[in-house]
Amino acid sequence: ETGVTQTPRHLVMGMTNKKSLKCEQHLGHNAMYWYKQSAKKPLELMFVYSLEERVENNSVPSRFSPECPNSSHLFLHLHTLQPEDSALYLCASSQGTGGYNEQFFGPGTRLTVL
Amino acid sequence: GQNIDQPTEMTATEGAIVQINCTYQTSGFNGLFWYQQHAGEAPTFLSYNVLDGLEEKGRFSSFLSRSKGYSYLLLKELQMKDSASYLCAVMDSNYQLIWGAGTKLIIKP
Repeated sequence: ETGVTQTPRHLVMGMTNKKSLKCEQHLGHNAMYWYKQSAKKPLELMFVYSLEERVENNSVPSRFSPECPNSSHLFLHLHTLQPEDSALYLCASSQGTGGYNEQFFGPGTRLTVL
Repeated sequence: GQNIDQPTEMTATEGAIVQINCTYQTSGFNGLFWYQQHAGEAPTFLSYNVLDGLEEKGRFSSFLSRSKGYSYLLLKELQMKDSASYLCAVMDSNYQLIWGAGTKLIIKP
């Protein structure tokens, strides 16, 4: 595997379900990100981890819970979601978090909440 | 508040040139990025500008004017594969990327 991978690619869940999204980066980067992408809206930064420490949490509802067990893996645990949470969830990584640090994105998980 | 503005959609002809504009108002500036995103795929990096002027990379060029809070992405010799969304993002004083909603570029034969 190369670059940034995400699983699953598609997920349909009910509002009472619990599920997790997984992201893995094979680039040796130190920072990882979760973004939400809704149709015709800007990318919304949800969480940033740098060297496995959470450095940013942009007022995300507690029904989204991130986990970063090491610098290569990032999870997003989901529980009691709402239909408005349906979106594309993108994971990204970068060497660092400041200045010129190109972010490399995974293909995303298309989430549908029924 | 922080704001990035870019046109929602543009149409151009294969072989032609198109310019996608981006204006921004952010708290601080640590560079501006352009990304390309094909439908159903991940965004991929195109360019980074932190100083005023033009950066050229093959058929794609990106321009920045910090005093005007303005950038554009110039695509030359358009090909059908250039049909995609183009995302403008500015890194603010907290080194957080603020994203525009993207410009969907449609290329016609």
